[in-house]
Amino acid sequence: KNEVEQSPQNLTAQEGEFITINCSYSVGISALHWLQQHPGGGIVSLFMLSSGKKKHGRLIATINIQEKHSSLHITASHPRDSAVYICAVQYNNNDMRFGAGTRLTVKP
Amino acid sequence: KAGVTQTPRYLIKTRGQQVTLSCSPISGHRSVSWYQQTPGQGLQFLFEYFSETQRNKGNFPGRFSGRQFSNSRSEMNVSTLELGDSALYLCASSLVVETEAFFGQGTRLTVV
Repeated sequence: KNEVEQSPQNLTAQEGEFITINCSYSVGISALHWLQQHPGGGIVSLFMLSSGKKKHGRLIATINIQEKHSSLHITASHPRDSAVYICAVQYNNNDMRFGAGTRLTVKP
Repeated sequence: KAGVTQTPRYLIKTRGQQVTLSCSPISGHRSVSWYQQTPGQGLQFLFEYFSETQRNKGNFPGRFSGRQFSNSRSEMNVSTLELGDSALYLCASSLVVETEAFFGQGTRLTVV
């Protein structure tokens, strides 16, 4: 069983829709990251969270430490948001464990 | 401010050879971590270096090794390459431990 579970695995949305990607983890962590990976491999760090909520443009990330759960929301989705979104948990020794990723396709 | 730079971007090697990949972190960043991404296993942590010391290592065989130089640049080496080592190798740098990580574009290694 993966230490980090993401859902859904694949997600197709129409442009403008509100999108939620979920991430659950099993043990205590020092931080949680949401990453975006476009075709070609480059990874961009979207958020690093240790508590509460962060917002950047149309992206919102939340984390509930007690429930060991995080969500990534995209408001007013756009085709350029199409990518793989990866949840990663970071332990105190800087070791990271990754979810399998959510492949998002936003259709115009 | 320059981002994390990985070289080379693409590499083809034959089984049994060895390979060295390079990662130049963002200026001032002292922590460099390496990851392997394959279609079957996803992203997996290889090792992390901080101030020239390996602080943590993932579950990979001894054929995978790395080092960090005094300027924080890091290299990883894979010896006796196997077909299964074909992957995208990513490095990420952060200012110190437990701060936001910035990823490079990766090196895509193909072993034939």
